[in-house]
Amino acid sequence: DADVTQTPRNRITKTGKRIMLECSQTKGHDRMYWYRQDPGLGLRLIYYSFDVKDINKGEISDGYSVSRQAQAKFSLSLESAIPNQTALYFCATSETRSTGTEQYFGPGTRLTVT
Amino acid sequence: AQSVTQLDSQVPVFEEAPVELRCNYSSSVSVYLFWYVQYPNQGLQLLLKYLSGSTLVKGINGFEAEFNKSQTSFHLRKPSVHISDTAEYFCAVSGGSNYKLTFGKGTLLTVNP
Repeated sequence: DADVTQTPRNRITKTGKRIMLECSQTKGHDRMYWYRQDPGLGLRLIYYSFDVKDINKGEISDGYSVSRQAQAKFSLSLESAIPNQTALYFCATSETRSTGTEQYFGPGTRLTVT
Repeated sequence: AQSVTQLDSQVPVFEEAPVELRCNYSSSVSVYLFWYVQYPNQGLQLLLKYLSGSTLVKGINGFEAEFNKSQTSFHLRKPSVHISDTAEYFCAVSGGSNYKLTFGKGTLLTVNP
């Protein structure tokens, strides 16, 4: 079984709808991240969480919110989806070390907003 | 602040040819460097990482990278590529007390028969 799972894997939604993307991990890591990937732009950090009570904005958090329901679960919500939020979304996890630690990625959720 | 520049957005090569994917970084502190690979319709997988020590780092699938502090580079190389190496490759940096990974924009490696 995969260590980092994301649901759904694909989603098509309409402008203005609320949508939630979910991430679960079995790696036992405290740190979790949400990124979006757009062609030619690489990965950009949306939100990150160091533990259940510590949630922080990344470089592109506008229009998104998150919830860390447990150590193993980190959800990303789009309160009112818009077409430019069409992208590939990745969840990642890492160990609690100060730095130099790699991140482990889920398989991604492809979101299309029409 | 830190940043990563991947100098080529696309690199086409023939099978069994050598390849180099270029990555330059900037950071005001000591850095940790990573290369990730993304196969079609998959998530990112770590190829290799440089944390300290030997500047030549070996990774999975026959890839290696060399950390060059004076040139602020971390280029990825493979002496002979296979069709299965076709993927997008991302260079990333983190540094100092900054836990965050900053990614480059990616290089699409296409291996042709």
